[in-house]
Amino acid sequence: QKEVEQNSGPLSVPEGAIASLNCTYSDRGSQSFFWYRQYSGKSPELIMFIYSNGDKEDGRFTAQLNKASQYVSLLIRDSQPSDSATYLCAVNRQAGTALIFGKGTTLSVSS
Amino acid sequence: EPEVTQTPSHQVTQMGQEVILRCVPISNHLYFYWYRQILGQKVEFLVSFYNNEISEKSEIFDDQFSVERPDGSNFTLKIRSTKLEDSAMYFCASRTGSTGGARYTQYFGPGTRLTVL
Repeated sequence: QKEVEQNSGPLSVPEGAIASLNCTYSDRGSQSFFWYRQYSGKSPELIMFIYSNGDKEDGRFTAQLNKASQYVSLLIRDSQPSDSATYLCAVNRQAGTALIFGKGTTLSVSS
Repeated sequence: EPEVTQTPSHQVTQMGQEVILRCVPISNHLYFYWYRQILGQKVEFLVSFYNNEISEKSEIFDDQFSVERPDGSNFTLKIRSTKLEDSAMYFCASRTGSTGGARYTQYFGPGTRLTVL
């Protein structure tokens, strides 16, 4: 059974702080890793994806991947109240195959 | 920016009835997906579709479910005889067939909330 695990939270950070979200996955064959943001009652919105070990930065977001440890994380710098949402980690084996989602971590950014 | 669209936004039906959920993928995309999310639970893959056939399906996607691309723009999910446990948000997603980093990304529509009474 392929599993993606995330702490459900809530993770609470003050405005301007760094939020760190973590995800582990069980399938060693996983090749692509995604972070989606989901506001309550809305659909998942892609933040970024990563498929190589190391760091990938996009604006205030940095994704980190360690395939040996089967671990992927998302850092959000200068957190804003508008970042308050549930962050979903998703993985798949090949480009375009089924995404396996974690249950998500709820982030709350207080002003 | 092109978006995946879905109709209706909310569908209420009686148990045992057939429902059809509709999606219009992004126009140049070639790969189509359905996912569902039961309230409070994780997003679950149902089926993927390419070149007019199912390319992958999950255990959830049993004989009660079917998918179709009836024309050049729509992609539908049919549930033949709805059960109470089919109540969920159903998301359509699509992906380009191009090379490069974009081939990795599935873009989600806004969802259809299905309520089975």
